[in-house]
Amino acid sequence: EVQLVESGGGLVQPGGSLRLSCAVSGLTFSGYWMNWVRQAPGKGLEWVANIKQDGSEINYGDSVKGRFTISRDNVKKSVFLQMNKLRAEDTAVYYCASWGADGPFDYWGQGTLVTVSS
Amino acid sequence: QSALTQPASVSGSPGQSIAISCTGTSSDVGGYDHVSWYQHHPGKAPKLIIYDVAKRPSGVSNRFSGSKSGNTASLTLSGLLPEDEADYYCCSYVGGNTFVFGGGTKLTVL
Repeated sequence: EVQLVESGGGLVQPGGSLRLSCAVSGLTFSGYWMNWVRQAPGKGLEWVANIKQDGSEINYGDSVKGRFTISRDNVKKSVFLQMNKLRAEDTAVYYCASWGADGPFDYWGQGTLVTVSS
Repeated sequence: QSALTQPASVSGSPGQSIAISCTGTSSDVGGYDHVSWYQHHPGKAPKLIIYDVAKRPSGVSNRFSGSKSGNTASLTLSGLLPEDEADYYCCSYVGGNTFVFGGGTKLTVL
């Protein structure tokens, strides 16, 4: 069974930082691009970032470029999202999702809530 | 990159069919045959139900089907069941290994 488990969410003040983790099991992690997708309260899904299998290519959505950094550890089968200079509008549930042969975002985690507030 | 346009809500009775549209531009939906659809029950993980416009992942009901014409993709759900009530999102590849989602559509099964 494929499982993606996010962690690291919480309450942080504007301007602060937070690091999210996503532990993956049940698939050949090193063979998948990995993504972060978020959903702000009452809003739709927004693609945030992704990273290639070997980390050689990384892409970001415009709203997080320059503030967020995605990385991965293929030994630990985990993907990370370092979030700096957080803003109120970054408040959202953050999901990690794999990009496999069945198309993008074929497996998802349950999400972790990030709240940016003073 | 602007979000793709979906109707905010659709509804149907059990057994009926509904369609959800997803409108973009020639830079996203119209430019690539890489449109996917996701079913999201609030509080749960989203689920991939259609990829590459019309392909269904293994295990997804054949009541779900997808199509595309020009800059608009569509998801059709036939034989509505109460458990189909959920939010549905389209997503398009936009080049450079990046993606854009639609705003989401709330399906109500009456």
